[in-house]
Amino acid sequence: DAKTTQPTSMDCAEGRAANLPCNHSTISGNEYVYWYRQIHSQGPQYIIHGLKNNETNEMASLIITEDRKSSTLILPHATLRDTAVYYCIVRPYTGTASKLTFGTGTRLQVTL
Amino acid sequence: DGGITQSPKYLFRKEGQNVTLSCEQNLNHDAMYWYRQDPGQGLRLIYYSQIVNDFQKGDIAEGYSVSREKKESFPLTVTSAQKNPTAFYLCASSIVGTDTQYFGPGTRLTVL
Repeated sequence: DAKTTQPTSMDCAEGRAANLPCNHSTISGNEYVYWYRQIHSQGPQYIIHGLKNNETNEMASLIITEDRKSSTLILPHATLRDTAVYYCIVRPYTGTASKLTFGTGTRLQVTL
Repeated sequence: DGGITQSPKYLFRKEGQNVTLSCEQNLNHDAMYWYRQDPGQGLRLIYYSQIVNDFQKGDIAEGYSVSREKKESFPLTVTSAQKNPTAFYLCASSIVGTDTQYFGPGTRLTVL
C-alpha cells in the first residue's frame, strides 16, 4: 500500500471548516484513498473514500488533486464531537478481505 | 438497528487464563476481522475470515484463536500463550468485494 503523510495534529474552531491534508505521492493508479477516524476509546469509523473524483457524503467531502498525489478531507462545520484522530489510508481495491493499515493519523482538536 | 457489537467493553483476567471476546454483526457481511491496538499505536490484524468455517492468520496471530461457525459471529480467544495480551481489541466486518470495513466499539482487555 502507498505510504501516506499527515500532520500530527490540527486545531479547528467549532463551526468552522476543518481541512485535513494527506500526501500520498507514491500512489498507484489502482489505489483508493480512504479516510477513517477514531474518537478516543472507540472503534474507527469509516468516513469516505475515492479514486480520482471528488466525493461528498453526509459526513465530509474528499478533494483529490488531479495528479492524485495528495488529498484533503473537509468537515464543513466542525463540532466538538468531531474531535478525533483522522487516518488517511491508501490501498488498492482487492475484492477480497484484507487488512487496513492505519498510520499515526492527524489528531484534530475542535475548540469552542 | 444494524451494526457490530462487542462485549464486554472492559474485561479483566488473571495471567494464565484464556479469555474469549465476543463479536456479533447483523449487517449480513461475509468478511470479519480482529485487530489489536496498543496505546498510541495503529491497528494490527490478528485474524480475518471471508466466509463461514474459514479464516486466515493476520500479522500477529500467535497466542490467539478464532472460530467462524456462523456468519454473524466471530469470537476471538486470547490464550495464555499470548505474551502481552493487555490491549484494545477491535472487531470489524465488510462485504467481500468492497474494501470498506465497519468497526465495533472495541473491548479493552486487561490481564493482571
